[in-house]
This record gives sequence, structure tokens and C-alpha cells, in this order.
Amino acid sequence: RKEVEQDPGPFNVPEGATVAFNCTYSNSASQSFFWYRQDCRKEPKLLMSVYSSGNEDGRFTAQLNRASQYISLLIRDSKLSDSATYLCVPQGGSYIPTFGRGTSLIVHP
Amino acid sequence: NAGVTQTPKFQVLKTGQSMTLQCAQDMNHEYMSWYRQDPGMGLRLIHYSVGAGITDQGEVPNGYNVSRSTTEDFPLRLLSAAPSQTSVYFCASTQTGTQYFGPGTRLTVL
Repeated sequence: RKEVEQDPGPFNVPEGATVAFNCTYSNSASQSFFWYRQDCRKEPKLLMSVYSSGNEDGRFTAQLNRASQYISLLIRDSKLSDSATYLCVPQGGSYIPTFGRGTSLIVHP
Repeated sequence: NAGVTQTPKFQVLKTGQSMTLQCAQDMNHEYMSWYRQDPGMGLRLIHYSVGAGITDQGEVPNGYNVSRSTTEDFPLRLLSAAPSQTSVYFCASTQTGTQYFGPGTRLTVL
């Protein structure tokens, strides 16, 4: 089983839509969880950390389900500028995480 | 702070040539790593370092060497370039789990 599994998409949504991505991870010892955003041909950048209780940052909400070993990201009121690849990153004891392929989001007018 | 810097931004090599990709960070992070990303693929870990003088192999280390003589610098050496090494290379430094990436080096091997 892969360490991180995400639906590669692409998710093609209109502006203003709400879209959700899920990510499953295999390492039950993972302690920290993050979502990164990667624009085409650019480096990944941290979008948000994921806390046990779930957390919200503006239009973005992240949830963690340790029992089922999945992480979710919800984007409300999608903007054209949200078009990117979203990478889910669970991290165990090592500070060097494993990245999956990510989920591609395309927001169209 | 400049963050993580990488040079060069672009490079074209011929098969068999060697070169060094440079990476530097000014955030005093202990952990640094090198990834490669092929079209439509995820990031794959090549080598990483948990501090000056300490390096280890990642998922795809063959054909690459690294060294970490200072906290700031973590160069990646291609020993004898092959077309299969055509890729985008990202260097990252890590603090409390958060990865800070450099802008990448786009390498083409002919």
C-alpha cells in the first residue's frame, strides 16, 4: 500500500463551487499532517497544517480522522486562483516526509 | 531572509557529463532534502540530511551524491548524467515539520 493516496483528478469545478479532497495514509505513527499547494512548474508551498480538532483558514477547512487514517481539505467559494495541485503530507517521526502525486484542481469561469 | 535558494534555474547537459546543483538556506534549519519531480508525478526523495556532516539516501539515490559540510549548503552532484535524470529538482529545508522549498532546477539531459 502506498504511504499516501490521493485521487489525482483533475477536479474541474466552476467558480464559487465547494470542492473537497480526501487523502489516505498508511503510516499509523504519523504525527503531523499538512496540505501543500503546488502551482504548475513551481515549488510546493505550505497551505495549512492539519490539527486533530480540524482547522479553518478563510475558505479552507482541513480535517483529520486518525481512526480511518485520512485527511480532508474543503475549499469553499472556489476562485480561479485556486487552480493548482494539492498535496497531502502526513509526517511520522522523521522530518523528511513522503509526498504523493497530489490532486489537481481546475477552477473555470 | 532569502529562504531556500537553488542554482542554476535551468541546465542542459550531455549524457555522461557531471554537474552540481546548488542549494542554500539561511534559516538555520537542520533538516534538508533533495527531491526530483517528473511530469505528472509526485516528488521523490533522492537524499536528505539531518544536520551538518550527516546524509542519508532517500527513495531514488542512484546516480546522485550529496554532502553537507555546513548547515546552510546541501549540494547535489550528478556523477554521470543520463537522460533518465531529466527532471525538475527541488531542494527543501525543514523546520518543525514544515517544508520550505527552493524554486527548483530544471535539468535536461540529452
